[in-house]
Amino acid sequence: GQNIDQPTEMTATEGAIVQINCTYQTSGFNGLFWYQQHAGEAPTFLSYNVLDGLEEKGRFSSFLSRSKGYSYLLLKELQMKDSASYLCAVWDGGATNKLIFGTGTLLAVQP
Amino acid sequence: NAGVTQTPKFRILKIGQSMTLQCTQDMNHNYMYWYRQDPGMGLKLIYYSVGAGITDKGEVPNGYNVSRSTTEDFPLRLELAAPSQTSVYFCASSFGGGGTYEQYFGPGTRLTVT
Repeated sequence: GQNIDQPTEMTATEGAIVQINCTYQTSGFNGLFWYQQHAGEAPTFLSYNVLDGLEEKGRFSSFLSRSKGYSYLLLKELQMKDSASYLCAVWDGGATNKLIFGTGTLLAVQP
Repeated sequence: NAGVTQTPKFRILKIGQSMTLQCTQDMNHNYMYWYRQDPGMGLKLIYYSVGAGITDKGEVPNGYNVSRSTTEDFPLRLELAAPSQTSVYFCASSFGGGGTYEQYFGPGTRLTVT
């Protein structure tokens, strides 16, 4: 079957670093995406990993290990505006050939 | 570029009514998708299209229908609305399929069925 697991909620302090983990089990794998979703808004694309390793994009980095079915999103120098839900999504190139979303991690950044 | 636009933003339906959720994109994307998002749940794919005239079912298609007569438009039809269809509906588009292309989402339609 297909399963994507993320923590439901996390809290962090402004200026700090936070790591949001995602583990997945899918019949196929053609890439992993991270999206940011502010309350009441649409998801917006943050990062994409298809090969093992770290992808860095400003304050945001994403890591992938395909052998472990594991990814994380690293947010540095946290700002209040980073308070949002972070969605991990895997393109299952196997049985479904679709983008499968996790339930999201709600991050609260406190002063 | 307006990106992906959706109308209406909010709608309240009575049980058994029907309605069409509109979605338009101006990025010349071939692929378009409809998702629903329930509280505490991930986005679930309802229907998708790989180009004009071609549509296919996603994970939760029951109670919905779609059409794709042009590249730009991908309306979602709800027939005989039920309380279980209360949700936030997002339309998305991407240049291509597979795992390479990011999806761009519209602002969503918040639907309540009572």
